[in-house]
Amino acid sequence: GNSVTQMEGPVTLSEEAFLTINCTYTATGYPSLFWYVQYPGEGLQLLLKATKADDKGSNKGFEATYRKETTSFHLEKGSVQVSDSAVYFCALSPYNAGNMLTFGGGTRLMVKP
Amino acid sequence: NAGVTQTPKFRVLKTGQSMTLLCAQDMNHEYMYWYRQDPGMGLRLIHYSVGEGTTAKGEVPDGYNVSRLKKQNFLLGLESAAPSQTSVYFCASRGFGYNEQFFGPGTRLTVL
Repeated sequence: GNSVTQMEGPVTLSEEAFLTINCTYTATGYPSLFWYVQYPGEGLQLLLKATKADDKGSNKGFEATYRKETTSFHLEKGSVQVSDSAVYFCALSPYNAGNMLTFGGGTRLMVKP
Repeated sequence: NAGVTQTPKFRVLKTGQSMTLLCAQDMNHEYMYWYRQDPGMGLRLIHYSVGEGTTAKGEVPDGYNVSRLKKQNFLLGLESAAPSQTSVYFCASRGFGYNEQFFGPGTRLTVL
């Protein structure tokens, strides 16, 4: 079956530090890949996505590249801010099965001033 | 547009009680979903709907029922609540031909 594995948190960084949150997946075919962000007390919001191999999704300074050879979709940001503190979820949607999103367990990021 | 809304925001039940969670969306989306979120487990799909009058089971459907009588509403029911159903419940919707799901703010349910 499909699965998503994320690095366990919490990840604690100082402001302006470089961020990487690892995400690897198992799926047949060519899934679409997503990063969602959940701020405290809120629902999930789509942060970025990629729909085919070598695509790079980007938004708000965050980037992730769809690497089929390593089945990975790692999230990066060059300089984090306190306002980036949230829980980040990696997810996949199998090709031709758009009803189903499979989520990783989530990674909590805490950014200190 | 309000997007996806959920009622109630919080609820405490006793074991064996029943309740219904309401999800509403004003984006004319065909697809709607109910997830539960538990610590360290991400979100798991309970039930989903591909259109008015249709529902299907997700990954963890036991103990829940759903109905989609109107396109804009998706109801999640618990007939006899159990402590294992203590969780945060999220509703989401998606338009046909798009792969982004839009999420509601969640309902925190505690079953004592």
